[in-house]
Amino acid sequence: DTEVTQTPKHLVMGMTNKKSLKCEQHMGHRAMYWYKQKAKKPPELMFVYSYEKLSINESVPSRFSPECPNSSLLNLHLHALQPEDSALYLCASSQVGQGLYTEAFFGQGTRLTVV
Amino acid sequence: DAKTTQPNSMESNEEEPVHLPCNHSTISGTDYIHWYRQLPSQGPEYVIHGLTSNVNNRMASLAIAEDRKSSTLILHRATLRDAAVYYCSRIQGGSEKLVFGKGTKLTVNP
Repeated sequence: DTEVTQTPKHLVMGMTNKKSLKCEQHMGHRAMYWYKQKAKKPPELMFVYSYEKLSINESVPSRFSPECPNSSLLNLHLHALQPEDSALYLCASSQVGQGLYTEAFFGQGTRLTVV
Repeated sequence: DAKTTQPNSMESNEEEPVHLPCNHSTISGTDYIHWYRQLPSQGPEYVIHGLTSNVNNRMASLAIAEDRKSSTLILHRATLRDAAVYYCSRIQGGSEKLVFGKGTKLTVNP
């Protein structure tokens, strides 16, 4: 199983709503990532968890709150978002071993629209 | 900041080889060179990576310049399914920080 599964595939939320994006992998990968991608732009790194601990936060606003409850799951909690936060949110995972990073596997993404 | 430079777009004909260049003139000795591609409406997909030597896999070949300041992704026979945005990235050995550059949009003509 080389899949990274993201739910939901599409999400529309109001600026006062609280919602969560979910990501799951069963490849035994110990690094998990959140990216944000606007149309016709490359994915932008947001957060990285390594061994269930937050290792990288690319100065993301606090209205985005990541969580890694276990080695297979990654959540992104959303609160008080702005319309400009509308984008494709991508989750990825990779193996970490002997200090070496390996290839990352990406999910299909969640298309988020903030109204 | 991926610290790589790629052409915005390239065009190829089906069944011909494609050479996608990437400049990483400030690369350090422990940085790996990674290539990913993103097909329309999909998440990025790993293609290949290398450190110093040229690398081959079932998808592509990676040719790394001797001074490591540039590299070339080679698709030996382009197909219509290879039409995608190709991203070149450099990642410090042992780091999990995968940052994408602006990428090259490859168009494959039938």
